[in-house]
Amino acid sequence: GAVVSQHPSRVICKSGTSVKIECRSLDFQATTMFWYRQFPKKSLMLMATSNEGSKATYEQGVEKDKFLINHASLTLSTLTVTSAHPEDSSFYICSARDTGGGDEQYFGPGTRLTVT
Amino acid sequence: QKEVEQDPGPLSVPEGAIVSLNCTYSNSAFQYFMWYRQYSRKGPELLMYTYSSGNKEDGRFTAQVDKSSKYISLFIRDSQPSDSATYLCAMRRSNSGYALNFGKGTSLLVTP
Repeated sequence: GAVVSQHPSRVICKSGTSVKIECRSLDFQATTMFWYRQFPKKSLMLMATSNEGSKATYEQGVEKDKFLINHASLTLSTLTVTSAHPEDSSFYICSARDTGGGDEQYFGPGTRLTVT
Repeated sequence: QKEVEQDPGPLSVPEGAIVSLNCTYSNSAFQYFMWYRQYSRKGPELLMYTYSSGNKEDGRFTAQVDKSSKYISLFIRDSQPSDSATYLCAMRRSNSGYALNFGKGTSLLVTP
């Protein structure tokens, strides 16, 4: 149980285009999901907290108009990187908290974004 | 000062050795402590989850939390090559909305 999927696992896009990443909790409901970014040999940096049915909460320094988050259902959150630039290239990882369980967060496998 | 400090390593040990991984933190409000294992190009996998101070054991893994010293540890007994991965400590406050603060991760290599 407690499986979180992400799609796509890898994406290459051109500068100026937008990319959407999906995060799904497959066997549990998640009122809250989190989006992280990870650079090589660096830790996970929380970008935003996604709450089902309400606006996401962004961490300081994260542009909400650039990283659009939508949490339309209890099993799906999406992150859209708008007008992507090469510096947005990174490993994006989502996590989900089981609403009906404890406090644990379960992570997705990550999405490798490369902007050319 | 970062809230969570973790030596990135790399740490190389022979198979069968006991591995000790550590993190220190500065925020005394942290109450929940976790260890995650991350293989290359994969998402983190939860290994251990503890609340407040004390020890927790699960198979070959033991997690220790010393809140007075703001120091947490993960011990791996009888280490195996399959344990080779990056180990991330994470922690959060009780009123943080479940958002986690991560260490940088320690890269572990267990050699046959």
